[in-house]
Amino acid sequence: NAGVMQNPRHLVRRRGQEARLRCSPMKGHSHVYWYRQLPEEGLKFMVYLQKENIIDESGMPKERFSAEFPKEGPSILRIQQVVRGDSAAYFCASSESQGQGAEAFFGQGTRLTVV
Amino acid sequence: AQSVTQLDSQVPVFEEAPVELRCNYSSSVSVYLFWYVQYPNQGLQLLLKYLSGSTLVESINGFEAEFNKSQTSFHLRKPSVHISDTAEYFCAVSENTGFQKLVFGTGTRLLVSP
Repeated sequence: NAGVMQNPRHLVRRRGQEARLRCSPMKGHSHVYWYRQLPEEGLKFMVYLQKENIIDESGMPKERFSAEFPKEGPSILRIQQVVRGDSAAYFCASSESQGQGAEAFFGQGTRLTVV
Repeated sequence: AQSVTQLDSQVPVFEEAPVELRCNYSSSVSVYLFWYVQYPNQGLQLLLKYLSGSTLVESINGFEAEFNKSQTSFHLRKPSVHISDTAEYFCAVSENTGFQKLVFGTGTRLLVSP
């Protein structure tokens, strides 16, 4: 059973371009979480999705950021018109169940650099 | 709102010495507590967690953490560290939101030298 797969591992974008980050959860997991890790900071919750539904997006910036988890395929975190401040490591996690005690398995992250 | 404080950004220690990584949290409701480890260029791996029951929890590689409700702490300890324990350690809490929404501390970098 492969772990949480994120790609690309590294992504470089120029200011104003779009960034698309992909996350394939572990087999059998229908709950996906996205976190952002800014330099020298801990991870910050962005959004929680179940298949085809956004459950909690309280950590998402109000503009330019969106996330989806379609019925088929990976979860996508999309950042439009990237700015330098978007440079960070973006981690995806998945869990089998919804309970807050359920273990979330993390991917290796996508490191976004905006130049 | 809940928060997690890891006061030590970096902890240098010699191999086979004991270590304690401190974690304090604040929350108005009961929480679940976690320690994650992040090796260079890798994702986070769950080290151990406290959900309920015994306040002392252990991991398979010799780490342990004790939940202290009165001091709102969840310090991580290991009696004898190895070079391979060098990594970033994150403490996290999850409130009773119906799903696991983790709030992380800023991390502590454990540097084990020979």
